[in-house]
Amino acid sequence: EAAVTQSPRSKVAVTGGKVTLSCHQTNNHDYMYWYRQDTGHGLRLIHYSYVADSTEKGDIPDGYKASRPSQENFSLILELASLSQTAVYFCASRPGLGVYAEQFFGPGTRLTVL
Amino acid sequence: GDSVTQTEGPVTLSEGTSLTVNCSYETKQYPTLFWYVQYPGEGPQLLFKVPKANEKGSNRGFEATYNKEATSFHLQKASVQESDSAVYYCALGGNYNQGKLIFGQGTKLSIKP
Repeated sequence: EAAVTQSPRSKVAVTGGKVTLSCHQTNNHDYMYWYRQDTGHGLRLIHYSYVADSTEKGDIPDGYKASRPSQENFSLILELASLSQTAVYFCASRPGLGVYAEQFFGPGTRLTVL
Repeated sequence: GDSVTQTEGPVTLSEGTSLTVNCSYETKQYPTLFWYVQYPGEGPQLLFKVPKANEKGSNRGFEATYNKEATSFHLQKASVQESDSAVYYCALGGNYNQGKLIFGQGTKLSIKP
């Protein structure tokens, strides 16, 4: 079964500080995604990647960077954390593009920016 | 662009009653439609998916029909249980746009025993 892990599971950061959220998958999946979850907005895509050493912008990339150093690892970086980035962040992976393929989600990271 | 709209929550039901969570979508593509369920403290997990129009998906007593004409994918269950308490997300995606999923805003369901 698909396995996506995230670290840390929760984090408190200060405004203006740098935050790195990590994601690791053991499924040999090509695609990885970062979403944020806010009440009333569902899940919104921040960045994604379909190959190591390459990342793409999603629907709400402002204020975030991403890094995919290997097929298994995908990080989300907040260079200057802001109050508005308080949210729960989810990483997901997916095998190659196929009509029936779904995304497999990690357990999430709860980020609080003070 | 693509969009998904679903029943505003929260929804509270008594155990044994029926459930309908409405989901409507807009797209110019031919997507696969998904229902995901999220339990407290966990990430969303797939409930079921339907890749073709006019087909039905089901799992754990939940079902939904991909209605292309009405652009709807309503989630139904005949008799809910307390263990069904969770947040439910309707989503669309497929073999285009790099496999991205577009999610509805989520519907929080609480079942009273």
